[in-house]
Amino acid sequence: GQQLNQSPQSMFIQEGEDVSMNCTSSSIFNTWLWYKQDPGEGPVLLIALYKAGELTSNGRLTAQFGITRKDSFLNISASIPSDVGIYFCAGLPNAGNNRKLIWGLGTSLAVNP
Amino acid sequence: GAVVSQHPSWVICKSGTSVKIECRSLDFQATTMFWYRQFPKQSLMLMATSNEGSKATYEQGVEKDKFLINHASLTLSTLTVTSAHPEDSSFYICSAREGEKETQYFGPGTRLLVL
Repeated sequence: GQQLNQSPQSMFIQEGEDVSMNCTSSSIFNTWLWYKQDPGEGPVLLIALYKAGELTSNGRLTAQFGITRKDSFLNISASIPSDVGIYFCAGLPNAGNNRKLIWGLGTSLAVNP
Repeated sequence: GAVVSQHPSWVICKSGTSVKIECRSLDFQATTMFWYRQFPKQSLMLMATSNEGSKATYEQGVEKDKFLINHASLTLSTLTVTSAHPEDSSFYICSAREGEKETQYFGPGTRLLVL
């Protein structure tokens, strides 16, 4: 099935550094969602974006809905050890009545204290 | 708000038995719930979409007679893995969509191990 291009696949950073990851699509999306998943747990919603150009923050996290509606990025500022986990982007395509989310393959984040 | 629970959190069963997993939206009504399966180090794979009061819509390649879904109320959907086999061992996660919003809230997942 269709998948989003999410990059990078993995990151290993020092505590205190900023992190940036993004997702791109070849088609237009109406909604972008960013989730974090810890091992053995379900994904937890971080930020939801519904309008092109929208920039939304949640604490140290900031995400933007790309103006072309084909991409989104997530930034984490001043990373801490508990930021470790897998981050997934998900989006809802504009075309058709199909309301199934399309998922990225995830970005695995490791933070060195 | 927007809390989704799943029960059980893990289950071990013998091959050939059936296992039922419950998904509940605790503080909102979910007209639509989704069932996903996730293999280690992979993204979520949608199995089926469950709409309250109607039959579930299954994704291509997912056997509807194998994975029975019931969405009897606006807060509860169940997934029954019938005649489970070792290859059904996986992490099953449900999600719920609130009203017409596209945001999905996920349960904590159920780890199934079939011996």
